[in-house]
Amino acid sequence: KNQVEQSPQSLIILEGKNCTLQCNYTVSPFSNLRWYKQDTGRGPVSLTIMTFSENTKSNGRYTATLDADTKQSSLHITASQLSDSASYICVVAGGRGSTLGRLYFGRGTQLTVWP
Amino acid sequence: IAGITQAPTSQILAAGRRMTLRCTQDMRHNAMYWYRQDLGLGLRLIHYSNTAGTTGKGEVPDGYSVSRANTDDFPLTLASAVPSQTSVYFCASSPGTYSVGGELFFGEGSRLTVL
Repeated sequence: KNQVEQSPQSLIILEGKNCTLQCNYTVSPFSNLRWYKQDTGRGPVSLTIMTFSENTKSNGRYTATLDADTKQSSLHITASQLSDSASYICVVAGGRGSTLGRLYFGRGTQLTVWP
Repeated sequence: IAGITQAPTSQILAAGRRMTLRCTQDMRHNAMYWYRQDLGLGLRLIHYSNTAGTTGKGEVPDGYSVSRANTDDFPLTLASAVPSQTSVYFCASSPGTYSVGGELFFGEGSRLTVL
């Protein structure tokens, strides 16, 4: 069964600290993996995309990694800010056949940054 | 830049009533989608459309209908609302078609409560 699991479910950190969010998936074949940020009461916004051949990609203080062999991705946030408080959603796109284009959503990690 | 506009922002509805959620995009994207987001379940696809005049069923289509008369508009209709349809509904679009698995651009959501 194609699934996307995220951990932890929720996380509280102090402003200025770093944190890492995890995403494990079983989707196969795999096309790409995206991390979305969803602020409270808003729609999700894409942070970064990882394709099969990419290991690391940065977007400002956000760095995503992908290990396609172990089917794991992480999102590392450096020097957290209060505005980083949000839900972070991992989305995996299927690669071909019956999964082609289908998006598999994780349930998200709720990050709270305290001053 | 508007992107995706959804209306209404929130609505309380009596069970059995008909309701249409409106969605308009100004990005000339090919594909449009309707998702529902429920606490602890993540985003689930209701219906999608790859281009004007075509629609397709997602994971949870029962009780919902859509139409795509033109590129910009993609309304979602609940013919006879039930309490289990209480949720936050997100409209989204993508430049490519559903099979591309590309980046989604989301609206701000419509919070629907069915009593």
